[in-house]
Amino acid sequence: NAGVTQTPKFQVLKTGQSMTLQCAQDMNHNSMYWYRQDPGMGLRLIYYSASEGTTDKGEVPNGYNVSRLNKREFSLRLESAAPSQTSVYFCASSGSGGAKTQYFGPGTRLLVL
Amino acid sequence: GQQVMQIPQYQHVQEGEDFTTYCNSSTTLSNIQWYKQRPGGHPVFLIQLVKSGEVKKQKRLTFQFGEAKKNSSLHITATQTTDVGTYFCAHQANSGYALNFGKGTSLLVTP
Repeated sequence: NAGVTQTPKFQVLKTGQSMTLQCAQDMNHNSMYWYRQDPGMGLRLIYYSASEGTTDKGEVPNGYNVSRLNKREFSLRLESAAPSQTSVYFCASSGSGGAKTQYFGPGTRLLVL
Repeated sequence: GQQVMQIPQYQHVQEGEDFTTYCNSSTTLSNIQWYKQRPGGHPVFLIQLVKSGEVKKQKRLTFQFGEAKKNSSLHITATQTTDVGTYFCAHQANSGYALNFGKGTSLLVTP
């Protein structure tokens, strides 16, 4: 089992460019999440998908869109990147029931110039 | 959403010293989870506490959930350089799905 995988690992964008961060999990989890991590700010939830076919905003959704492509895949899109979106992005997944331990991917380090 | 406050933000100890990080909430929490993130790595689940006054141990790590379920602590006995990283507490958000994370405590251990 690969767990949660994310691509790309690193990306440099210019202001105004767009890109999609990909995430996939092979644990048959129902729920998937996107977080961003900035120094001193901890992990902040951007969007989550409780189950296939549903998505909901988290704490910091502005400037992002998501797609739950199927049960395995959950992508995050930046339509017009801004320097404020320079961050490390983590995808996570969790099963249903209980208190939902989250399993994180290795992260995507994004720099917007 | 509900916020949990973690203190301290940073801690620097000599190898062999003990370390404690605290997670505090103004409201009652249904559960608390702890995660560890090594430098350059991703958060990894350590443990979950659910019951009032619960205490769980993992080798040198002791986790506690307060009687009022408003605070939690992680204590490491005799730290080692492998304990270096950031420790996050997290609790289940009102949505029932997402987690609200504290800002973390970064631990540095010098030999």
